[in-house]
Amino acid sequence: GAGVSQSPRYKVAKRGQDVALRCDPISGHVSLFWYQQALGQGPEFLTYFQNEAQLDKSGLPSDRFFAERPEGSVSTLKIQRTQQEDSAVYLCASSLASNQPQHFGDGTRLSIL
Amino acid sequence: AQTVTQSQPEMSVQEAETVTLSCTYDTSESDYYLFWYKQPPSRQMILVIRQEAYKQQNATENRFSVNFQKAAKSFSLKISDSQLGDAAMYFCASGAGSYQLTFGKGTKLSVIP
Repeated sequence: GAGVSQSPRYKVAKRGQDVALRCDPISGHVSLFWYQQALGQGPEFLTYFQNEAQLDKSGLPSDRFFAERPEGSVSTLKIQRTQQEDSAVYLCASSLASNQPQHFGDGTRLSIL
Repeated sequence: AQTVTQSQPEMSVQEAETVTLSCTYDTSESDYYLFWYKQPPSRQMILVIRQEAYKQQNATENRFSVNFQKAAKSFSLKISDSQLGDAAMYFCASGAGSYQLTFGKGTKLSVIP
């Protein structure tokens, strides 16, 4: 498809497990962003890539969160030793350049039991 | 640092009528952008309208228009001829050269047939 694709759409994990969330941006989009959206809130910035370089990870809540984009296309957000407060929708967005409009995926709803 | 405030958690409008959603922001950046995003229950964030801060003319996209008051740091969204499909969460967001978007908490818009 032509849009940003995220998988899985839903993920349920037990506390303490590791999870990996995938984002496939729009082809040719240089910039890729991850956001965390808690229930009833607006999205909050997690991290930003320009091609394969992670230029800003200031929004990552803890060192349990790790993101990569090794070939400048698909990105993976990994959360280690998940905790209940990690339950949220994780949104991925991509744009042609950093100052261009961001296009969002459908998000992954993560539930930690 | 940027902050975005949406003071209306919920709004409702009769079909075919006009509704205005409020947003105020604060930023230390001199060059920035403002956005309204729509998020239906399907979760995908859809860009409704975008305003460059250096432009005095208010942006318009079909039935959607903004009232951008730079001195007051106000950025409201007007939806004319409201349709049932306009029902969604609406998020105001700001972004600067540093690319990350800062979102408000959102306004839930209901459209009454």
